Amino acid sequence: DGGITQSPKYLFRKEGQNVTLSCEQNLNHDAMYWYRQDPGQGLRLIYYSQIVNDFQKGDIAEGYSVSREKKESFPLTVTSAQKNPTAFYLCASSPGTVAHTEAFFGQGTRLTVV
Amino acid sequence: RKEVEQDPGPFNVPEGATVAFNCTYSNSASQSFFWYRQDCRKEPKLLMSVYSSGNEDGRFTAQLNRASQYISLLIRDSKLSDSATYLCVVNQGYGQNFVFGPGTRLSVLP
Repeated sequence: DGGITQSPKYLFRKEGQNVTLSCEQNLNHDAMYWYRQDPGQGLRLIYYSQIVNDFQKGDIAEGYSVSREKKESFPLTVTSAQKNPTAFYLCASSPGTVAHTEAFFGQGTRLTVV
Repeated sequence: RKEVEQDPGPFNVPEGATVAFNCTYSNSASQSFFWYRQDCRKEPKLLMSVYSSGNEDGRFTAQLNRASQYISLLIRDSKLSDSATYLCVVNQGYGQNFVFGPGTRLSVLP
């Protein structure tokens, strides 16, 4: 089945550790996105990528890093510099170059700092 | 001012009621408009795209007013299963990202 797969579903991190969240899509989409959602709030953009080997910072990129070495993969690293990383992380993709097409989401990763 | 704003909610309505959600966006260059539905602790899922002429899908009707930079969603004959948070989403076009409103929570009561 085509879609977006995020792993793991739940992740626990000790303070001071870096962790990497996986996002893979087999929809042949050019664009991929990472969003963060805090309880009772909307989605905020962390990073996005419109093409392989290129990505742009979103509104809240500090403390995060990404790579886009392959079209189907867009991993997000939450570094120790991110002061409040506990949140629900959502990865999305879209064709990117076709007008009026929506974003498709993975099931999300719930990160908790312990 | 936030790029996309929505009614703060929550909306608590009885089954069978009609409910309307409003959304405004600040960037006049916005090209694409969507309503997403998000269930508790789940990912957002597309409910419907919004076109300039307005569009309807069963009990759901979406309207776009570009001059006023305003989007609406009307739900008729509400069902218990409609209980969710409704997200207004705007995209500025090619190569741009999707901007999400904060969402409006709907609870349909028996």
